[in-house]
Amino acid sequence: EADIYQTPRYLVIGTGKKITLECSQTMGHDKMYWYQQDPGMELHLIHYSYGVNSTEKGDLSSESTVSRIRTEHFPLTLESARPSHTSQYLCASSESRRATDTQYFGPGTRLTVL
Amino acid sequence: AQKITQTQPGMFVQEKEAVTLDCTYDTSDPSYGLFWYKQPSSGEMIFLIYQGSYDQQNATEGRYSLNFQKARKSANLVISASQLGDSAMYFCAMDAVTSYGKLTFGQGTILTVHP
Repeated sequence: EADIYQTPRYLVIGTGKKITLECSQTMGHDKMYWYQQDPGMELHLIHYSYGVNSTEKGDLSSESTVSRIRTEHFPLTLESARPSHTSQYLCASSESRRATDTQYFGPGTRLTVL
Repeated sequence: AQKITQTQPGMFVQEKEAVTLDCTYDTSDPSYGLFWYKQPSSGEMIFLIYQGSYDQQNATEGRYSLNFQKARKSANLVISASQLGDSAMYFCAMDAVTSYGKLTFGQGTILTVHP
């Protein structure tokens, strides 16, 4: 099992504010991911990273950006929050032991933009 | 590209009974993995069980088993002896070698366990 942490768990913020959602893992996993999930809906991949200084956009277009300066840390930033960004954001990580890897998820951040 | 389909928006089961949650998938990649996750109302995603496309036997983890039928492209989750704490949303997901670790999720099934 992976230990993966996300802060804050809940965030209510006004339109136009800059926000950073934190994600950290202690297992030394190379791969990390950000998913966006609306209530009761499926997860959509918005960003992923295969290692330090590696970031890619996922299948769902997002106005957010990510960085991967350290293996354990994969923060997501929204420069100017809008109500359309209201959603749950889930971070995950996986190691690379086999061709398909199990992803372990953090507890998620529920973002509400007023 | 990979596709996961979960056709049961909601399922109900009596406590202590078994329940099967359906999942079908589509991929052209011969090497892939299938996963089931549980998402309680608190929102976290809990990994339950994994099945590799080349695994000869169906995966089992405690009360969870995966009924893998490769020819039918189905990977149904079976929960035996349901408990009240099993009430949650359940997601089927897959990863193919050519996806380099990126998971594709189904729409989810809400399971409600009645006492």
